[in-house]
Amino acid sequence: QVQLVESGGGVVQPGRSLRLSCAASGFTFSTYGMHWVRQAPGKGLEWVAVISYDGSDKYYADSVRGRITISRDNSKNTLYLQMNSLRPEDTAVYYCAKDLPGIPAIDYWGQGTLVTVSS
Amino acid sequence: QSALTQPASVSGSPGQSIAISCTGTSSDVGGYNYVSWYQQHPGEAPKLMIYEVNNRPSGVSNRFSGSKSGNTASLTISGLQAEDEADYYCSSYTSSSTRVFGTGTKVTVL
Repeated sequence: QVQLVESGGGVVQPGRSLRLSCAASGFTFSTYGMHWVRQAPGKGLEWVAVISYDGSDKYYADSVRGRITISRDNSKNTLYLQMNSLRPEDTAVYYCAKDLPGIPAIDYWGQGTLVTVSS
Repeated sequence: QSALTQPASVSGSPGQSIAISCTGTSSDVGGYNYVSWYQQHPGEAPKLMIYEVNNRPSGVSNRFSGSKSGNTASLTISGLQAEDEADYYCSSYTSSSTRVFGTGTKVTVL
């Protein structure tokens, strides 16, 4: 069965950096597009970034472009999110998610990791 | 990349049918048949309910159905049940190869 397990969240000061990881199992990781989606406390879902199956294509939300980088290591079945110049408004649960095969639609989500940006 | 517009809340009695709208633009909802719907219970990750406007993943009740007209997509829940009480989000592929979510709708079973 598909499993997506996020890690790396925590409390970080404004302006600092953080790297999130997502360990994938139960499917052929190297053949699927992968996403990061976040949800601020008590708020709705916000799409953050997507990376193609081979890492050649990456797209970002306007709100994070230039500060956040999505990447993947298919040899380790792991997805990453490097977040720099963090702001209080980046405080959220960050979900790792996978696309359906050949269809731009997210089908499976991890349980999320909480990032809190506060001094 | 403005969020798709959904009603903040919709309610219905058990057994009734309700519909949730999701309005975007010709650059997202109206331009592609790649609208998805997600159900999220408190403290849980979202769950895919509908993809490609009107397709249900295996295991999702046929009480859930989707449709689209122009720039507006809709999710209909028939035979409303207590366990349907949750937040629902639409999502669409966009002309920039990104994704966008809706503002979210809280469904209350009266």
